[in-house]
Amino acid sequence: QQQVKQSPQSLIVQKGGISIINCAYENTAFDYFPWYQQFPGKGPALLIAIRPDVSEKKEGRFTISFNKSAKQFSLHIMDSQPGDSATYFCAASKQGAQKLVFGQGTRLTINP
Amino acid sequence: NAGVMQNPRHLVRRRGQEARLRCSPMKGHSHVYWYRQLPEEGLKFMVYLQKENIIDESGMPKERFSAEFPKEGPSILRIQQVVRGDSAAYFCASSPRQGWTGELFFGEGSRLTVL
Repeated sequence: QQQVKQSPQSLIVQKGGISIINCAYENTAFDYFPWYQQFPGKGPALLIAIRPDVSEKKEGRFTISFNKSAKQFSLHIMDSQPGDSATYFCAASKQGAQKLVFGQGTRLTINP
Repeated sequence: NAGVMQNPRHLVRRRGQEARLRCSPMKGHSHVYWYRQLPEEGLKFMVYLQKENIIDESGMPKERFSAEFPKEGPSILRIQQVVRGDSAAYFCASSPRQGWTGELFFGEGSRLTVL
């Protein structure tokens, strides 16, 4: 059972464009939604995270949009750069569980 | 300020052998998590441990896999009688002692290849 579904599996964007990755969840008990970035041969690292009491969070070129009623959240990368090429994972956790459930990942390629 | 340390980074085993993967959490962290990443797939939760205790092993296969986090020393993920399907990257992560902030700090992974 996939608790967090992520799309697309892969994405190619031109330099300077907007990259958008989407995630959907079923469990309404989830209350924390992070995005992780993973470069080849490295471990994932936290990029940005949101809690359901806000609909949007922005950090530099990275923005999370959160739609509680639709049980969806997305990552937007503005002015995408070749250095943003990586695999991105959305995740979710619920209070008391103390673990993260990850989506399947999106391999993002930014063409120069 | 060392991060999460995993070793070995790469491990090759023949079918039927044992694999032992080690993880030292970040300084000040007492919670350890193991995740498995299969090729072209996401990160699958395996087990969550605190010192000398397994808190959640709901993602661990019922057979051949075990994990421990002793009072002294690193956490160890042990896979007995490995099969080709065990070939994957195994990531360890840690989180701080003081409660759940939601953030996990990952190591660089141990890549197991079963011949």
